[in-house]
Amino acid sequence: DSGVTQTPKHLITATGQRVTLRCSPRSGDLSVYWYQQSLDQGLQFLIQYYNGEERAKGNILERFSAQQFPDLHSELNLSSLELGDSALYFCASTPWAGTDTQYFGPGTRLTVL
Amino acid sequence: KNEVEQSPQNLTAQEGEFITINCSYSVGISALHWLQQHPGGGIVSLFMLSSGKKKHGRLIATINIQEKHSSLHITASHPRDSAVYICAVGDDKIIFGKGTRLHILP
Repeated sequence: DSGVTQTPKHLITATGQRVTLRCSPRSGDLSVYWYQQSLDQGLQFLIQYYNGEERAKGNILERFSAQQFPDLHSELNLSSLELGDSALYFCASTPWAGTDTQYFGPGTRLTVL
Repeated sequence: KNEVEQSPQNLTAQEGEFITINCSYSVGISALHWLQQHPGGGIVSLFMLSSGKKKHGRLIATINIQEKHSSLHITASHPRDSAVYICAVGDDKIIFGKGTRLHILP
């Protein structure tokens, strides 16, 4: 158990819908990363937050947004969902903003029908 | 050309064999990560290294920053080592290799 929690575990929804994925980092960790893992693209970095502020952005679509709250949990919002958004979404946390060992959550499997 | 290349893509070996997985990258980095992903999907960080060599149990990771190359070795491999091993590089924006699928036969 990494200490990182993600909810929900599974999510099935329809095209055009909006969903919110939640991540709670390890106790004391200030930095949260979001990743998408699809069969064709593999793992891709989406976005990083550190202590409530966006710190780095990767291949995140405009239909996706994220935020980190004062209690350090983070949410990833996916809107106008398309079939191609079906994937595993992982979050990971580290104590600080710089390069460090990442602790991954169990992931949320999103299926868009 | 991908910024992070792993080889081999797939590897099947007998229990007890010495395993080597390679990772080459083209970007400047301060650290490289080796991750393990079991069939259930969970990802575990095995190593983060910026120079030299690290060892944890039967796993050894090495990196050559000048040559932009890293290797992950597994000694005395066991069927429970069967997983996908992923190399990742970068600081804030992490770039992942496509993974090496390892299958250890009993």
